[in-house]
Amino acid sequence: GAGVSQSPSNKVTEKGKDVELRCDPISGHTALYWYRQSLGQGLEFLIYFQGNSAPDKSGLPSDRFSAERTGGSVSTLTIQRTQQEDSAVYLCASSHRGAYEQYFGPGTRLTVT
Amino acid sequence: TQLLEQSPQFLSIQEGENLTVYCNSSSVFSSLQWYRQEPGEGPVLLVTVVTGGEVKKLKRLTFQFGDARKDSSLHITAAQPGDTGLYLCAGARGTSYGKLTFGQGTILTVHP
Repeated sequence: GAGVSQSPSNKVTEKGKDVELRCDPISGHTALYWYRQSLGQGLEFLIYFQGNSAPDKSGLPSDRFSAERTGGSVSTLTIQRTQQEDSAVYLCASSHRGAYEQYFGPGTRLTVT
Repeated sequence: TQLLEQSPQFLSIQEGENLTVYCNSSSVFSSLQWYRQEPGEGPVLLVTVVTGGEVKKLKRLTFQFGDARKDSSLHITAAQPGDTGLYLCAGARGTSYGKLTFGQGTILTVHP
């Protein structure tokens, strides 16, 4: 079956613009995660959706960041008024409920100029 | 403050050598995972360990979870150029399966 897919693979935007990043999880996976990977910071947890429960947003760095998951499947991460420090690779992962193993997508490389 | 300290950050060795990567914390983890990541791709899970003292082997890779579940190691025997990549440890605390804390990663280069 298909793995986790993310789009776009690369996004270049100007400072101050809004961006939307998309994640399609593995079919049947109820849990979905967003992470950010930047040089010197490693992989940083952002947000976690599990089924119909309220998402764990504790990793979102500011109120410019938000995410939603429609119909328990596709998720969109939105960054408003982008800043240069938002430049990073944004990774999405999915898993079965209660499972330790997460399956990652290839990521979206965001560059804010 | 990094919750999971991974060392070394960089490792450059010759084919056939052995190596060990360490992942240490002052916190207890309910599970610890090791991932391998190649450029332009997402991390790929290698192993999950959940029991203190657990040892798992995957071909030439040996993973160990510390007795107190605060540390882990990855040992590669007779490294090959195909082992080159970024190795990441990640831990989950309590019942928060999804909220992984990652180490900074170890960039391994194996020269032919």
